[in-house]
Amino acid sequence: DAGVTQSPTHLIKTRGQQVTLRCSPKSGHDTVSWYQQALGQGPQFIFQYYEEEERQRGNFPDRFSGHQFPNYSSELNVNALLLGDSALYLCASTPEGLSTEAFFGQGTRLTVV
Amino acid sequence: GQQLNQSPQSMFIQEGEDVSMNCTSSSIFNTWLWYKQDPGEGPVLLIALYKAGELTSNGRLTAQFGITRKDSFLNISASIPSDVGIYFCAGQDGYGGATNKLIFGTGTLLAVQP
Repeated sequence: DAGVTQSPTHLIKTRGQQVTLRCSPKSGHDTVSWYQQALGQGPQFIFQYYEEEERQRGNFPDRFSGHQFPNYSSELNVNALLLGDSALYLCASTPEGLSTEAFFGQGTRLTVV
Repeated sequence: GQQLNQSPQSMFIQEGEDVSMNCTSSSIFNTWLWYKQDPGEGPVLLIALYKAGELTSNGRLTAQFGITRKDSFLNISASIPSDVGIYFCAGQDGYGGATNKLIFGTGTLLAVQP
């Protein structure tokens, strides 16, 4: 049973560029959340997707957007990258209504230069 | 962004010692979770707590959900080298569904010397 998988594992982008990160949830999970983890910090909630819609959003600008597909996989898009967007981006999945225990992927390390 | 207060920030111990760390919040949570994160990896769930006062064990790990619902602690007994990593607490203010975002603590770095 595959867990949460994310791609790519590492990425280097230039300021002002756009980036797309991908996540496949754990089998049987239909809710996907995205978190940003800066170096030396705990993860910060970006947003959550359920039934292909953004259901809840953290304190992140509109440059951060996402999408969920019918197979429950998800994408995180960041436009107009800033140096401060450099972080580990984590995807977490949960089964709707059955558990509050989120399972995390290994993350995508984004470096903006 | 909001983060929970976690202490200590770091611990350097000898193999075989017991470890205790805690997490406090200004807000009430209905669920407390403890995660361990190794370098370059995502957090891995260790223990989940759902009820105020609940004490739950997972092998050498024991965690408690504070009575006030604003704090939690994690104990590790007889530490071993593979316990090395960063431990995060996380609070959740819902029982699932639309309110199950996690608020994480600032993390406790644990180093174990053989």
